Amino acid sequence: QKEVEQNSGPLSVPEGAIASLNCTYSDRGSQSFFWYRQYSGKSPELIMFIYSNGDKEDGRFTAQLNKASQYVSLLIRDSQPSDSATYLCAVRGYNKLIFGAGTRLAVHP
Amino acid sequence: DAGVTQSPTHLIKTRGQQVTLRCSPKSGHDTVSWYQQALGQGPQFIFQYYEEEERQRGNFPDRFSGHQFPNYSSELNVNALLLGDSALYLCASSLEGTSNTDTQYFGPGTRLTVL
Repeated sequence: QKEVEQNSGPLSVPEGAIASLNCTYSDRGSQSFFWYRQYSGKSPELIMFIYSNGDKEDGRFTAQLNKASQYVSLLIRDSQPSDSATYLCAVRGYNKLIFGAGTRLAVHP
Repeated sequence: DAGVTQSPTHLIKTRGQQVTLRCSPKSGHDTVSWYQQALGQGPQFIFQYYEEEERQRGNFPDRFSGHQFPNYSSELNVNALLLGDSALYLCASSLEGTSNTDTQYFGPGTRLTVL
């Protein structure tokens, strides 16, 4: 079992729709969770982090964390073509980040 | 506020050669982590440097080594290059402290191609 798992996609959504990206992790003791966006050929860019159960909103982005289910998700409201990228879920381990393989999101006009 | 910088941007080497990649952390940060990202995969942790010492290492062979300088900048060295070392090498910087401040920010990366 991989430590951090994501559906590789591609996830295709129409412009203006809500994109829902999901991630599960294996270490029940994990405390910190991160979402990064990576455009093709570029480096990961931090979107948001979440530490507590529940929802955390930042603009069009909402991160959701359920530690009991070992599940973290990212919702993107009013999706735009510029949101088309790979979204990486990361869990903080001891002095390191453990990444999933990423979910490719395609927003079509 | 200067972000994380890395050099060079691209590098082409042949098998058996050695390579050195460089990273300067974001202003105010003191910790540098290195990751390897193969095509289609998430970044894999190589090691982390803090106070000029390697304090955590991922599952990478001893061919991968590093260094951190007093100004917090860092180098990644890879010896005896293999074709499988071809990847995007990412440097991430963070500030040692509470969990709310140890978020890692990535540099633009160095694309290494081994022929």
